[in-house]
Parts: sequence; structure tokens; C-alpha cells
Amino acid sequence: AQTVTQSQPEMSVQEAETVTLSCTYDTSESDYYLFWYKQPPSRQMILVIRQEAYKQQNATENRFSVNFQKAAKSFSLKISDSQLGDAAMYFCAYRSDRTGGSEKLVFGKGTKLTVNP
Amino acid sequence: GAVVSQHPSRVICKSGTSVKIECRSLDFQATTMFWYRQFPKQSLMLMATSNEGSKATYEQGVEKDKFLINHASLTLSTLTVTSAHPEDSSFYICSARDGRGTYNSPLHFGNGTRLTVT
Repeated sequence: AQTVTQSQPEMSVQEAETVTLSCTYDTSESDYYLFWYKQPPSRQMILVIRQEAYKQQNATENRFSVNFQKAAKSFSLKISDSQLGDAAMYFCAYRSDRTGGSEKLVFGKGTKLTVNP
Repeated sequence: GAVVSQHPSRVICKSGTSVKIECRSLDFQATTMFWYRQFPKQSLMLMATSNEGSKATYEQGVEKDKFLINHASLTLSTLTVTSAHPEDSSFYICSARDGRGTYNSPLHFGNGTRLTVT
């Protein structure tokens, strides 16, 4: 079974600074997707960024980028120019890409990000 | 964009009663929906996968008879918590995948339901 580990229960960053959230995962599969979701106090799950495992290039979405290290099974999220609105719980998630495989997302325990003004 | 509506957003019920939570895809057909449970300050744990027109697939440790799932149409899945107990109090979130898309299309989440059993 796949597992996702987020070793940082809480992180804080100064507004306009950069912060990196860590995520490691364990799988025996070669094809899969990785995601970072944001959950603000409203509890709405918002997709931040996604990475296909077959792609070597790291995904980027505006101020959000990932460092995907497939061999190390590491998938960290970097938030640049942090804004107050970035404050939320961030969840790393894994999904199999096997045909007929489960579509379910396996989530890490989350990292609570605080942005200080 | 695609929207998933979950209702109610909050519900308080007495112990022993049943509660139904609805998850609707508003502008797409969802052949598959997922029900998650989230305890305070915890991660989301998949409870079951709801498939339109067939039985739901439950994760290990989830009681089928307690958490009844019905996916009767391509836009609606319901989760009924039967004979609710205080330990069922939690945040329940549904998600759905646009059936028009490929297998790789992203999931869309509802806003969640806060269930409190007194």
C-alpha cells in the first residue's frame, strides 16, 4: 500500500519570503500522480499543483513549484513570495496511474502553514 | 468550472438517528465519487468509492451498514450515517471526477459537511 509522509506538522514564513514544505511517499509503482492540496479555514480542498511521475520536469504554477525527486520519492512544495492568503493546511497526496488501478487519493497528515505579516 | 455541491454544510443530530449527506456534481457527470472523513487537525481518510449504478467499494475498517452510500445518478451520491453515535462526529468531504474527461482528469471536492452527534 502507498503511504505519504509529511514530517512538518507546522511551518511559518514571513510575508514575501519563500517556504518549502516537505513530502515523501512510498510506493512500488512506477506510474502515479502527486498533488499538493490547500485547505484554508473554509475547509474547501483546493488543488495547488500536480505532478505526473513520468515527467522529469518539475511542475510550476505561478508562485508554487515542486521539487520532484522520483528516485528519492520526495515531492516538496516551494511557495515563493508568500502571501497572507497562503495560510492554510497543505496536504500532499498520491494517486496511482495504473490502468484499472484505484483512483483514490492517499493523503499525508498535512502541514499547517502560518504566514506572518 | 466544475463544481461539486455538498449539502448540508453543517448538521447536528441526536444519537441514534440517521443523517443523509448529499454530494452533487453541478455541471458535469460523475461516474465515480469518493467519500472522505477528516477528524480535527487530521488528514483525509477515504471511506468509500461510490460508483454510479453499482455498489460502493468500502475501505478496510469502514462499516458498510453504518455508512450507506447510494450513487443513483450520474450527478448525485449520498452518504447516510445510520444510528449515529458521538464518535461519528467528524467532517465528511466528497469528491468527484468529471466522467467526460480522461482517467487523469482532476478530482473536484465539495465544501464538506460538519456532523455533530449529541
